Amino acid sequence: EADIYQTPRYLVIGTGKKITLECSQTMGHDKMYWYQQDPGMELHLIHYSYGVNSTEKGDLSSESTVSRIRTEHFPLTLESARPSHTSQYLCASSARTGEQYFGPGTRLTVT
Amino acid sequence: RKEVEQDPGPFNVPEGATVAFNCTYSNSASQSFFWYRQDCRKEPKLLMSVYSSGNEDGRFTAQLNRASQYISLLIRDSKLSDSATYLCVVKGGSYIPTFGRGTSLIVHP
Repeated sequence: EADIYQTPRYLVIGTGKKITLECSQTMGHDKMYWYQQDPGMELHLIHYSYGVNSTEKGDLSSESTVSRIRTEHFPLTLESARPSHTSQYLCASSARTGEQYFGPGTRLTVT
Repeated sequence: RKEVEQDPGPFNVPEGATVAFNCTYSNSASQSFFWYRQDCRKEPKLLMSVYSSGNEDGRFTAQLNRASQYISLLIRDSKLSDSATYLCVVKGGSYIPTFGRGTSLIVHP
């Protein structure tokens, strides 16, 4: 089993609140990713990082931001949550050989 | 044309059947190929990497056809527990993998 963790697993929050979704991995992987996925739909890459102090936006425009101060930690922040942010957020990291390992996800509901 | 294309299905098969999925990719410079499995409302999990010579893991066989730019996944002796969505993933020279939309498999008794 891959050692990648996400908290919280479920979050219900009101519009306008600031939230941070946590993601940590203990595998020493340099590359980490955030995906957004609605039920039954495809994965959309929203942010990625090649390593410490490196962050890039993905294919899907997102109002979220990320930081990568430590190799093992890649948090995602929404400054002002909106109902349109309701979705599942999946964090992943990848080995040098390219395989990605996913965390269990955070299911976010913005009311 | 999408970079990675999969037939969304669903593929509805009886237990014990053999089923195959294909996935086509558009970037001829793609270097790495993977199959993932995703259960409903769960995270994707790596099923197997796909090697140029083809590879097998128990009931699962993966093949790569570079000339026609597709990869395939064959599942033999299907089990009820194989019901899931199977995601094809293709990676080029960058670190960014491209996911297909997935193929849904339903195995019924």
